[in-house]
Order: sequence, then C-alpha cells, then structure tokens
Amino acid sequence: GESVGLHLPTLSVQEGDNSIINCAYSNSASDYFIWYKQESGKGPQFIIDIRSNMDKRQGQRVTVLLNKTVKHLSLQIAATQPGDSAVYFCAPITGGGNKLTFGTGTQLKVEL
Amino acid sequence: ETGVTQSPTHLIKTRGQQVTLRCSSQSGHNTVSWYQQALGQGPQFIFQYYREEENGRGNFPPRFSGLQFPNYSSELNVNALELDDSALYLCASSHPGRDRGASGANVLTFGAGSRLTVL
Repeated sequence: GESVGLHLPTLSVQEGDNSIINCAYSNSASDYFIWYKQESGKGPQFIIDIRSNMDKRQGQRVTVLLNKTVKHLSLQIAATQPGDSAVYFCAPITGGGNKLTFGTGTQLKVEL
Repeated sequence: ETGVTQSPTHLIKTRGQQVTLRCSSQSGHNTVSWYQQALGQGPQFIFQYYREEENGRGNFPPRFSGLQFPNYSSELNVNALELDDSALYLCASSHPGRDRGASGANVLTFGAGSRLTVL
C-alpha cells in the first residue's frame, strides 16, 4: 500500500528565511506528486505538482525536488512570509484519478 | 467562479445517529471526491463520484455512502455514527480533462469542510 511520511511535524522559520519541507513516500509507481497547503479553517490548496520523470520544478517562490532513488521529495519556499504559515502535505498520485494519499503534514510556523 | 461550498460548517451528533453532508462543486467540475480528516492528520480518501456513479473508494465501511446529482453537487451520508467518525469532512471537485497542474497532475479544489463531532 501507499504510505507517506514527513520528517518534521513542525518547522519554525524566521520571516525572510528559506524553508525546506521534506516528504518520504513508499510507492515507486507514483506518477505525480502534489504539494498542498492547508491554512487554519480552510481546505487544502494546490501549490505545485511534479511528474515522476522530473527531478526539479520551480514555481513562484517554491521549488520541488524529487529523488526517486530514495523516494524522497522536498518543497523549498524562498523568502518565507507570514502568509506561508500553514500545514503542508505532499500527496503522491498513482494511476491518475483523484485518490490522493496524504501524510500527516508539516506545520510551518513563520516567526516575525 | 464560486469555488467549492460545503454545508453545514459544523454539526454535533450522537453515537448511532445518521448524518448528511452537502457539497456544491466548483462551476464546470464534473468529478467530486470526499475526504475525512481527523484532528492532526492528513485527509483520507473516502470515495469519488463521476457522472453520478461511484468510481473509486478508499478503506471506509459501507455505512459511508454518497450521491452525486445531475448538477454535480454531492452528498456524503454516514449511518450508525461512531465516536471515531468525529472529523473534518472535505469535499473536493475537479474536471480531470481540464484542471491540471503544469506537470499534468489532476488538480482538486477543496471546500473548507464540515466539522462533525460525535458524542
């Protein structure tokens, strides 16, 4: 089965610093990986996706790195802002469709 | 675009009762999924509906059931409520042929959820 693990349940960073959120997965057959952000009182919000045949994708202030050899991916947030405070989930997708497998998530706290 | 709306936002039930949660999909989305999120955990996939038919289910018992209507709105029904059913129930809609991330992954739009407490 699919299992997703996160290395750090809580990450505290200073405003303006870079944040790195890590995620381990178990299913090597995953086709895509999506990062979602969930703010307090809201549903998860799509941030960025990466296909399994890629090792890096960049978005606005975010970069995803994928290492299939060790089944690990990371989300890097540049110049972290207070609005980035949220729980971050990585979610592998296998075989297409809408079945996302979320891990426990990492709580990102931005200190002023 | 109005996004995904869910109702009620909060509700309290007692063990053994039944509950119905409702979801209005984002305009143009034809697929809806339901997720259960226990406190401090990530969302867990319950099931998915497409064209009014269930076409995918997670590891949830049959007392969790759903409906999708012709306008793509949806209901989640839970019978014989148990204390462990206390959670945030999230609805997510999508249009698999249209809403995709830049890498091609299907993107779900989530509602804010319905917080169910079972006493």
